[in-house]
Amino acid sequence: QKEVEQNSGPLSVPEGAIASLNCTYSDRGSQSFFWYRQYSGKSPELIMFIYSNGDKEDGRFTAQLNKASQYVSLLIRDSQPSDSATYLCAVITNAGKSTFGDGTTLTVKP
Amino acid sequence: DAGVIQSPRHEVTEMGQEVTLRCKPISGHNSLFWYRQTMMRGLELLIYFNNNVPIDDSGMPEDRFSAKMPNASFSTLKIQPSEPRDSAVYFCASSTKPAGALYNEQFFGPGTRLTVL
Repeated sequence: QKEVEQNSGPLSVPEGAIASLNCTYSDRGSQSFFWYRQYSGKSPELIMFIYSNGDKEDGRFTAQLNKASQYVSLLIRDSQPSDSATYLCAVITNAGKSTFGDGTTLTVKP
Repeated sequence: DAGVIQSPRHEVTEMGQEVTLRCKPISGHNSLFWYRQTMMRGLELLIYFNNNVPIDDSGMPEDRFSAKMPNASFSTLKIQPSEPRDSAVYFCASSTKPAGALYNEQFFGPGTRLTVL
């Protein structure tokens, strides 16, 4: 089992829809969770982080964390074509190690 | 701020040659991370430094890989000898926080695309 698993994708949604990206992790000692966006041929950039159970909202983005279920998700409301990218889930364990999922590629169709 | 700087941006070399990748972190950042990204294995953490000291190199694939950080503004990742399976994009990232901090935003450089023939 991989330490961090993301829904395999690719995910395609129409413009204006909600995109839902999911991530599960295996280390119960994990304490911080990050979502990075990576455009094709570019480097990852941080868009959200969360470390408490519940929801965290930032503009059109909402991160959700459920430590009991070892599950973290990212919702993108009112999806735009510019949101088309690969989204990487990253988990920081208590040991300080950062582990990334393989990513989910999102395409938002106009 | 110039962001994380990596050089070269592209490197093509032949199997058996030595390859050196360079990274300049953002000024004031005291943690530095080296990653490798491939289609097959995704983004893998190779090694990270805190205050120029290597903290965890468990991700370094084998002895052919070595990394140094002689000062706060410069790090190198060396592969000797290189092999075709080392072909990947190598990213350097830096952060103001130690690797295990609760909030550890990492700023990534543009990457070096390495091709070993």
